[in-house]
Amino acid sequence: GQQLNQSPQSMFIQEGEDVSMNCTSSSIFNTWLWYKQDPGEGPVLLIALYKAGELTSNGRLTAQFGITRKDSFLNISASIPSDVGIYFCAGRDNYGQNFVFGPGTRLSVLP
Amino acid sequence: KAGVTQTPRYLIKTRGQQVTLSCSPISGHRSVSWYQQTPGQGLQFLFEYFSETQRNKGNFPGRFSGRQFSNSRSEMNVSTLELGDSALYLCASSRQISGTGTYEQYFGPGTRLTVT
Repeated sequence: GQQLNQSPQSMFIQEGEDVSMNCTSSSIFNTWLWYKQDPGEGPVLLIALYKAGELTSNGRLTAQFGITRKDSFLNISASIPSDVGIYFCAGRDNYGQNFVFGPGTRLSVLP
Repeated sequence: KAGVTQTPRYLIKTRGQQVTLSCSPISGHRSVSWYQQTPGQGLQFLFEYFSETQRNKGNFPGRFSGRQFSNSRSEMNVSTLELGDSALYLCASSRQISGTGTYEQYFGPGTRLTVT
C-alpha cells in the first residue's frame, strides 16, 4: 500500500532558527496537507497544496508541492516556543478515497 | 463556523465492553473519516462515510464499525474492547474543493479511550 516517509523524525532547534522538514511518497499525489498536533489534541490543518510546484504560505509557514508530485516540504521561519509539536504530512491521490499520513516530525524549540 | 466536534472527550472502559463515539462534522461537509492514533502505530485510517454510506475502509477487525446519519453526524462503535484498543480516536470531516477534485480535511479534538 501507499506509504509516506517524513524526515527528520525529530529535531531540536533554538528559538529564532528556521526549520525544514519533508515528506516523500512512493505514489503520485494530487493533494498534500500539512498538520500540527499538540499533545492530547487533534491535528490542526496548516497548509493545503493542490498543484505540482505550488508554493503556499501561512504566516511563518511555507509549504511546497514537489514537482514530481511524490514529495512535499514544510518550512517554518523564525521558530518560537509555540511551534513545538508534531507535524504530519498527508497525501491523497486521484484514486484513493482516503488520506495517507506520514509518521510525523516531532519539533522541540529550545529557548 | 464551528469546527469538528467529538464526544465524549475521554472515556474509560473495561475489556469486553463496547463503546460508541460520536462526531459532528463541519456544517456542509458530507464526508466523515475516523482514525485511530497510538504512539506505536501513528494515525491509522479506520473508515470513511459519505452520504450515509461507507465509502472506504481500513484494515481493522469487524469489531470496529461505524455509521453516518442524514445530517452527516457519524458514530463509531467498538465491540468487545481489548486492551490494545486504547488510543486517541480522531474524526475528520472533508470537503471537496470545487473545480479541483481535491479535498481538505479537518480534524476534531479526538476521544481518548482507555481500556482497562
